[in-house]
Amino acid sequence: GESVGLHLPTLSVQEGDNSIINCAYSNSASDYFIWYKQESGKGPQFIIDIRSNMDKRQGQRVTVLLNKTVKHLSLQIAATQPGDSAVYFCAEIKDDMRFGAGTRLTVKP
Amino acid sequence: DAGVIQSPRHEVTEMGQEVTLRCKPISGHDYLFWYRQTMMRGLELLIYFNNNVPIDDSGMPEDRFSAKMPNASFSTLKIQPSEPRDSAVYFCASSSDSGGTDTQYFGPGTRLTVL
Repeated sequence: GESVGLHLPTLSVQEGDNSIINCAYSNSASDYFIWYKQESGKGPQFIIDIRSNMDKRQGQRVTVLLNKTVKHLSLQIAATQPGDSAVYFCAEIKDDMRFGAGTRLTVKP
Repeated sequence: DAGVIQSPRHEVTEMGQEVTLRCKPISGHDYLFWYRQTMMRGLELLIYFNNNVPIDDSGMPEDRFSAKMPNASFSTLKIQPSEPRDSAVYFCASSSDSGGTDTQYFGPGTRLTVL
């Protein structure tokens, strides 16, 4: 798995604002990517996925953007709500599944 | 569906003791995964099964760790003997028959503390 530091990157946003969470992946051959949301004390929960033949995919209030040139993935959350507060991390899949470090999103009311 | 079920939710044990973590995957899912999550190393895949057969155990840290899947509805992860550095949250996940890259559904995790 990915090695991470003791402190997760954090993002603090105001309720109602849009949030953008970024992820750099390592394997240029990865062909499938997933964003997970993990709330305190719970397991990771699938949010949205994207295949490498796409550069954008939209869900309900969430959009994932894929830039294969720079191996970058982002998750955009529209109209962020307090219930969106969680740790978000990406996963890249080729022959195996590797997880990013995660970003802690805090939504201020 | 109740989702992936794990037990116990919390386990506190002393160094040297045997620890057994349990998982019940979602019915019909052919893949089962065991993960370990720590602040230092994030989420790490330990082992996964396909149709009850271990496919890749390269993530198992050492011989003290073993995993079994005696049937399609039950799996165990055992640590013997346990050490303080094994303290982590252990997740079980399952997915449908699609090569293991389909959406994985995670259980709530078992928080293990080894004193």
